Amino acid sequence: RKEVEQDPGPFNVPEGATVAFNCTYSNSASQSFFWYRQDCRKEPKLLMSVYSSGNEDGRFTAQLNRASQYISLLIRDSKLSDSATYLCVVIANTGNQFYFGTGTSLTVIP
Amino acid sequence: EAGVAQSPRYKIIEKRQSVAFWCNPISGHATLYWYQQILGQGPKLLIQFQNNGVVDDSQLPKDRFSAERLKGVDSTLKIQPAKLEDSAVYLCASSHSGGGGRETQYFGPGTRLLVL
Repeated sequence: RKEVEQDPGPFNVPEGATVAFNCTYSNSASQSFFWYRQDCRKEPKLLMSVYSSGNEDGRFTAQLNRASQYISLLIRDSKLSDSATYLCVVIANTGNQFYFGTGTSLTVIP
Repeated sequence: EAGVAQSPRYKIIEKRQSVAFWCNPISGHATLYWYQQILGQGPKLLIQFQNNGVVDDSQLPKDRFSAERLKGVDSTLKIQPAKLEDSAVYLCASSHSGGGGRETQYFGPGTRLLVL
């Protein structure tokens, strides 16, 4: 079983739409969670950390559900510039290993 | 602040040849990571260094891949001999202390390797 699993999409949504991605993880002892954004042919960049209480950054909201072992990313009022691949990252409690999901592709359509 | 530097940006080789990639992390970052990202997949950690020591190399194919970070600063990743399935982007990343937790990793632009 993979450490981290994501729906690869693609998600094609119109501008202004709300879209949500989920990511499940297998290690219940995982402690740290992140969402990274990767533009086409570019390196991944940190979008936001995911805290137990949930956190919001402008149009982006990240949440953690420990009971069901998943994290989510919600994007409201989608912009064309949001088109990218969104990678979820889980850090295992031991060894500080970063596990990346396969990424979810989002295209925002005018 | 300068970012993570990698070279070369692109490399095309034939199978069974050797290739080496170089990475210079952000100044002062103790932890350095090498990832392999195959098209359509997320990055897969190959090796993690804390200063000049290896923290994790469990997913490094040691029969053909090697990496070093002799002085705890820049690092090289080598593949010898290369196989077709090694075609991928090799990403280097660094973080301040590598203590896990909420450490942010900063990625370099990557080296795109094509093995023919």
